[in-house]
Amino acid sequence: DAGVIQSPRHEVTEMGQEVTLRCKPISGHNSLFWYRQTMMRGLELLIYFNNNVPIDDSGMPEDRFSAKMPNASFSTLKIQPSEPRDSAVYFCASSWTSGGEDTQYFGPGTRLTVL
Amino acid sequence: AQSVSQHNHHVILSEAASLELGCNYSYGGTVNLFWYVQYPGQHLQLLLKYFSGDPLVKGIKGFEAEFIKSKFSFNLRKPSVQWSDTAEYFCAVFMDTGRRALTFGSGTRLQVQP
Repeated sequence: DAGVIQSPRHEVTEMGQEVTLRCKPISGHNSLFWYRQTMMRGLELLIYFNNNVPIDDSGMPEDRFSAKMPNASFSTLKIQPSEPRDSAVYFCASSWTSGGEDTQYFGPGTRLTVL
Repeated sequence: AQSVSQHNHHVILSEAASLELGCNYSYGGTVNLFWYVQYPGQHLQLLLKYFSGDPLVKGIKGFEAEFIKSKFSFNLRKPSVQWSDTAEYFCAVFMDTGRRALTFGSGTRLQVQP
């Protein structure tokens, strides 16, 4: 299995630009999670989907952030407009959720730098 | 609010020393427990996990962890560390609150000196 795939691996953009991060979960997994990692706040959950439906987006910082999962094999996290404080590593994770005993597997992350 | 605490933020050891990293959580319900490792510049990899049964779980690369329910703890151990164990270690807890997401500790940076 290829594992969770994320693209791009690195993104440098200027403040005000739109940024789109992409994630392909492990085939067969039914839950997908977006996390953000910063020095100040550590790892924090932004949003998660189950069976392509957003279940909990309480971690999304503000309206500038949006996430979609149009099908079981693809998700996007969009920031519009981007700001320097959005600079972080964004991880996507997926799992097979059943009976509560699910294990999340993480992708390599996208390192975002907003100038 | 539920939380996960890793009290050791930065640990420096010499090769062959024994390791124990602390993890405590604050939640009285059912939990699933995980340790992840993040090598420099890489993504999080699963070291080990506990769902139920034997509270002493063994993971990859010689790591083990013990779940002590009465202490709300899930400490990570390794009898003899190697230089290649230099990484950041994260404890994560899944709590049956209905919110199907992991709560992570702040991480412990382990530096192993040759």
